[in-house]
Amino acid sequence: QKEVEQDPGPLSVPEGAIVSLNCTYSNSAFQYFMWYRQYSRKGPELLMYTYSSGNKEDGRFTAQVDKSSKYISLFIRDSQPSDSATYLCAMSRPYGNNRLAFGKGNQVVVIP
Amino acid sequence: DSGVTQTPKHLITATGQRVTLRCSPRSGDLSVYWYQQSLDQGLQFLIQYYNGEERAKGNILERFSAQQFPDLHSELNLSSLELGDSALYFCASSRGLAGTTSTDTQYFGPGTRLTVL
Repeated sequence: QKEVEQDPGPLSVPEGAIVSLNCTYSNSAFQYFMWYRQYSRKGPELLMYTYSSGNKEDGRFTAQVDKSSKYISLFIRDSQPSDSATYLCAMSRPYGNNRLAFGKGNQVVVIP
Repeated sequence: DSGVTQTPKHLITATGQRVTLRCSPRSGDLSVYWYQQSLDQGLQFLIQYYNGEERAKGNILERFSAQQFPDLHSELNLSSLELGDSALYFCASSRGLAGTTSTDTQYFGPGTRLTVL
């Protein structure tokens, strides 16, 4: 079983829709949770960062972490064509183990 | 633009060959990370250097090696290349050692696309 599971299926939504993405993980030691956005032919860029459980909101983006279920989510409200990208979840342990474990990513296409 | 530069952008080579990928971190960043991204495995951490020293190792093959130089740029050497090594190779950098906190996150370069024929 991979440490981080993210269903890599593509997702097409109409402009203005809510996009919902999620990842599950198996390692309870993970404390830092991130979402990266990767545009075609570019490197990943950090989109959202959450420490431990809870919600974090930044504009149209909301990240949720449920450590009891080992489940994290990203919601994009009022999606725009510029949100079309691949979204990767990532997580890591604290205290010196600096390895980021990534999900495989979801390709999101927002149709105007 | 993340401030991390990688060269070359594309590399096409044959099986059995050796290549070197180069990365220059953001100004002031001391950590450099190397990742491999393929369709079947996703983004996999290979290795981290901090201020010239190896600090963390991931799923890096013995045929691969890396180093970080005194000017903090880094090189990833891939030898005895196989078809399965075809992938995108990303370099990332961070200010400090962690690279996983809200004040010390990783910034990724644009990647090098390696094709092994």
